[in-house]
Amino acid sequence: EAGVAQSPRYKIIEKRQSVAFWCNPISGHATLYWYQQILGQGPKLLIQFQNNGVVDDSQLPKDRFSAERLKGVDSTLKIQPAKLEDSAVYLCASSLSGSDTQYFGPGTRLTVL
Amino acid sequence: QKEVEQDPGPLSVPEGAIVSLNCTYSNSAFQYFMWYRQYSRKGPELLMYTYSSGNKEDGRFTAQVDKSSKYISLFIRDSQPSDSATYLCAMSGGGSEKLVFGKGTKLTVNP
Repeated sequence: EAGVAQSPRYKIIEKRQSVAFWCNPISGHATLYWYQQILGQGPKLLIQFQNNGVVDDSQLPKDRFSAERLKGVDSTLKIQPAKLEDSAVYLCASSLSGSDTQYFGPGTRLTVL
Repeated sequence: QKEVEQDPGPLSVPEGAIVSLNCTYSNSAFQYFMWYRQYSRKGPELLMYTYSSGNKEDGRFTAQVDKSSKYISLFIRDSQPSDSATYLCAMSGGGSEKLVFGKGTKLTVNP
């Protein structure tokens, strides 16, 4: 069974630029999550989708971050404009449903200079 | 007070040692408790899952939950160099599916 795919794996941008990350969940998984993991911290949930609807985006900085999950499969997370404090690993995870085991992708490491 | 506190480490032990990793939490609504292992430059992977007080064993790993003290532990017996990773506790409950993670403890097992 293929795992959660993410791209790119690494991205370096300057502050005030925009960036987008892509996630392809495990086939058949209805729930998709985006987490932010700052160095030395545990992952923090940014947004949770159930199919193509948002379940929880309470910790998403909506003035600069946006996410979508068209057709309930792939998802894109965008940051515009980026700040220095956005430097982190952005993890995508998926699960069969919201109460099932979450499977994580390898993450995208973002460096904002 | 943070919802989940985890011993910061780092922890360095010789091969074969028994390792104890711990987390405390403040939210009494948490019902589900997990331990994730994260290798360098990889995503977390689920190691252990439990929802009741007591012990749960899986091979060399034992997860322990004490809801009265709001304290969870992961024990690793006969630790191996391949166990070297960051271990994250996570929990959820109270009507929310959201996982709340600890900061993680970096473990190194020396051959």
